[in-house]
Amino acid sequence: TQLLEQSPQFLSIQEGENLTVYCNSSSVFSSLQWYRQEPGEGPVLLVTVVTGGEVKKLKRLTFQFGDARKDSSLHITAAQPGDTGLYLCAGVRTSGSRLTFGEGTQLTVNP
Amino acid sequence: GAVVSQHPSRVICKSGTSVKIECRSLDFQATTMFWYRQFPKQSLMLMATSNEGSKATYEQGVEKDKFLINHASLTLSTLTVTSAHPEDSSFYICSAEDPRTGMSDTQYFGPGTRLTVL
Repeated sequence: TQLLEQSPQFLSIQEGENLTVYCNSSSVFSSLQWYRQEPGEGPVLLVTVVTGGEVKKLKRLTFQFGDARKDSSLHITAAQPGDTGLYLCAGVRTSGSRLTFGEGTQLTVNP
Repeated sequence: GAVVSQHPSRVICKSGTSVKIECRSLDFQATTMFWYRQFPKQSLMLMATSNEGSKATYEQGVEKDKFLINHASLTLSTLTVTSAHPEDSSFYICSAEDPRTGMSDTQYFGPGTRLTVL
């Protein structure tokens, strides 16, 4: 059983569309991170959320941490081909010490 | 800040040989580094936690004698794949926590090393 469930696993959309990626768990996390990874490269940190209910914005990307700190979402507005990549959520449980990754969401934005 | 480098970026070796991968924190000191393995179109799988000055902590199912980890200094950890076989071919990524950020859960990743064993 995956500790962090990401959905959808694959998403192919047209340029200009909006999308939301979800990261869910039954466990409580002290923090959640979102990373973006391009082929042949390491993941790049986009954001860290630590407070339940927290919302952070990074240009066209909006990140939300659930009130109970068990889930998070990433919303992209007006997606562009440059947004194409593997999006990974990761977090450390309040009862644990290791960073756990979700399965990832492969996003393709077609021009 | 928080830049992590890896060397080499790509390596091809013959079956039975050993390969060493280096992970360096360029602008900060990292007492703890992490080694991950990633298969195509899949997420990262933690292999081991590398602790400066002490033995690495391996995840369940990861062979200690096959994947040797040495964390000789606060800026360098190495992963040696011994007696490599084709099934060891993968993308290996290291990461480190930057103590300057005050966010111990956030890791910064290297660019990865693509290992191909023929």
